[in-house]
Amino acid sequence: AQRVTQPEKLLSVFKGAPVELKCNYSYSGSPELFWYVQYSRQRLQLLLRHISRESIKGFTADLNKGETSFHLKKPFAQEEDSAMYYCALSGVGNEKLTFGTGTRLTIIP
Amino acid sequence: EPEVTQTPSHQVTQMGQEVILRCVPISNHLYFYWYRQILGQKVEFLVSFYNNEISEKSEIFDDQFSVERPDGSNFTLKIRSTKLEDSAMYFCASSQQGARGNTIYFGEGSWLTVV
Repeated sequence: AQRVTQPEKLLSVFKGAPVELKCNYSYSGSPELFWYVQYSRQRLQLLLRHISRESIKGFTADLNKGETSFHLKKPFAQEEDSAMYYCALSGVGNEKLTFGTGTRLTIIP
Repeated sequence: EPEVTQTPSHQVTQMGQEVILRCVPISNHLYFYWYRQILGQKVEFLVSFYNNEISEKSEIFDDQFSVERPDGSNFTLKIRSTKLEDSAMYFCASSQQGARGNTIYFGEGSWLTVV
């Protein structure tokens, strides 16, 4: 079974402060992890995935297999980062994405 | 940039009625999906569709649900006899080559209210 846990439903951070959105997963095989973002009144869109090892909009995430985590980080929050963030997992041999419950990030000016 | 489009954006239907939600995936994509999100809950996988057949489905996707690609562009989700608990946002999505290693592109969603 695949499971994704995002422990924080809501997170408020001051502009310019560091951001960390937590994501833990449960999966017996080799997972592929993603972060999706949904800005106000917009569609879900891919922010980044672990296999790309890229930084998008200043966000990074490292897959830690020992801790089964894929936390999303940004050193300096910006107001436009306010959105709903979903962590998601894809398992081997299946087509589905398993989502976490999401974290609503609010950046305080 | 190409987008997945969905219609209707919002539909209200009476319990027991049939509903068809429509989607136009991105044109060169081969994998199609439906997800749903009940208010306040997580986004849940319903079904994936590839090569004109269902490739995977969840426990939620029971006999009341069906999907179809009636022509070269549309991808539909039919709920045969709606129940109150079917009220949710339904997202269509598509990708070029499946979930692993590829980006899945989502539509804006169709909000279904069953009364």
